[in-house]
Amino acid sequence: AQSVAQPEDQVNVAEGNPLTVKCTYSVSGNPYLFWYVQYPNRGLQFLLKYITGDNLVKGSYGFEAEFNKSQTSFHLKKPSALVSDSALYFCAVRVVEDNYGQNFVFGPGTRLSVLP
Amino acid sequence: AAGVIQSPRHLIKEKRETATLKCYPIPRHDTVYWYQQGPGQDPQFLISFYEKMQSDKGSIPDRFSAQQFSDYHSELNMSSLELGDSALYFCASSRGGAGEKLFFGSGTQLSVL
Repeated sequence: AQSVAQPEDQVNVAEGNPLTVKCTYSVSGNPYLFWYVQYPNRGLQFLLKYITGDNLVKGSYGFEAEFNKSQTSFHLKKPSALVSDSALYFCAVRVVEDNYGQNFVFGPGTRLSVLP
Repeated sequence: AAGVIQSPRHLIKEKRETATLKCYPIPRHDTVYWYQQGPGQDPQFLISFYEKMQSDKGSIPDRFSAQQFSDYHSELNMSSLELGDSALYFCASSRGGAGEKLFFGSGTQLSVL
């Protein structure tokens, strides 16, 4: 079965510093990997995804993520954090071969707090 | 531990029919979110409820309606179904309102023929 782990419930970082939000996954097939963000009082918003190709994926709001197959990781990064980046971040995996049921699995979420 | 329960897991309907999807949040969770994921698409936020009141609205068609009941379960009602409504519909729940961690159900796969 597919699973996604986000080992940190909370990440605190000072504004202007680089940030990393960690994600590891376990799948039986070829994964599509995603990051979503949830701002207060809003639904999930798509940030970026990895399908194939370059392991470094660039997304919205200056975020990027690096796919590491050997470590089964897909960590989210940003070179310089903004206070407005404070939100909940969800990693998700989708297995292409699974056409029904639970083919899109989210991690438990990581709360990012960027301190001014 | 109890998770978010969605029923049914799979549903097959014909065009112009109606469908009702159900979502049972984790106990003591008071917020429910609905998402739609079309084939090859990313999940799209539809609507959310907090304490039985609509709290946020996304790209939900007028043909769809939803509500949250006194026991906090939610139902998504879909009428005049179209082929384009075929998708995976996720429900998620949280406690304490928007901004808290979301726990997602495994989804209902709706196929409109």
